[in-house]
Amino acid sequence: SQTIHQWPATLVQPVGSPLSLECTVEGTSNPNLYWYRQAAGRGLQLLFYSVGIGQISSEVPQNLSASRPQDRQFILSSKKLLLSDSGFYLCAWGQGEQGLTGELFFGEGSRLTVL
Amino acid sequence: AQSVSQHNHHVILSEAASLELGCNYSYGGTVNLFWYVQYPGQHLQLLLKYFSGDPLVKGIKGFEAEFIKSKFSFNLRKPSVQWSDTAEYFCAVKGAGNNRKLIWGLGTSLAVNP
Repeated sequence: SQTIHQWPATLVQPVGSPLSLECTVEGTSNPNLYWYRQAAGRGLQLLFYSVGIGQISSEVPQNLSASRPQDRQFILSSKKLLLSDSGFYLCAWGQGEQGLTGELFFGEGSRLTVL
Repeated sequence: AQSVSQHNHHVILSEAASLELGCNYSYGGTVNLFWYVQYPGQHLQLLLKYFSGDPLVKGIKGFEAEFIKSKFSFNLRKPSVQWSDTAEYFCAVKGAGNNRKLIWGLGTSLAVNP
């Protein structure tokens, strides 16, 4: 069966420091991968998605970047964190762009606090 | 532009009460519809989905949702809630076709008191 893991689960970082959140998927090949940010009362905001190795689409301009060095690995990064980057980040995988059907499978989430 | 509206941001119920969470969307074409749930401390997961066929769909844990095309609605229901249903519920809609994105509602926080 397919599984998805992301880490770290919790991260506290100072302003201006770098960031790396990692997500890996097991049990499937060539998944489409997504990074979302979830804010209370604001739903889920799609940040990046990837349909293959090295292919990244950015949905909103921001201080973050994403990379996909391997088929089942998706990394969310920043060179210098801002206070506004604080939030709950979710990695997800699906079949097809935005999931051909829309069905996505989510990781456990990473809570980032920037101080 | 597509949008999804969830009518209630916070709902508080007592156990055994009936639940209905509203979800309306704006999109004129064929849609795929979803309810996702996030239990406290757990990952977001699919509760139920509608692609086609019977507009009344059954999900896990006794939940169901009805797609009413004329009302652009996909309301979530459960006849008798339990304390363990306390969670955040998200409605999501995807227009048919590969280039359509999944659009999310803002979520409804449900608290069930024992």
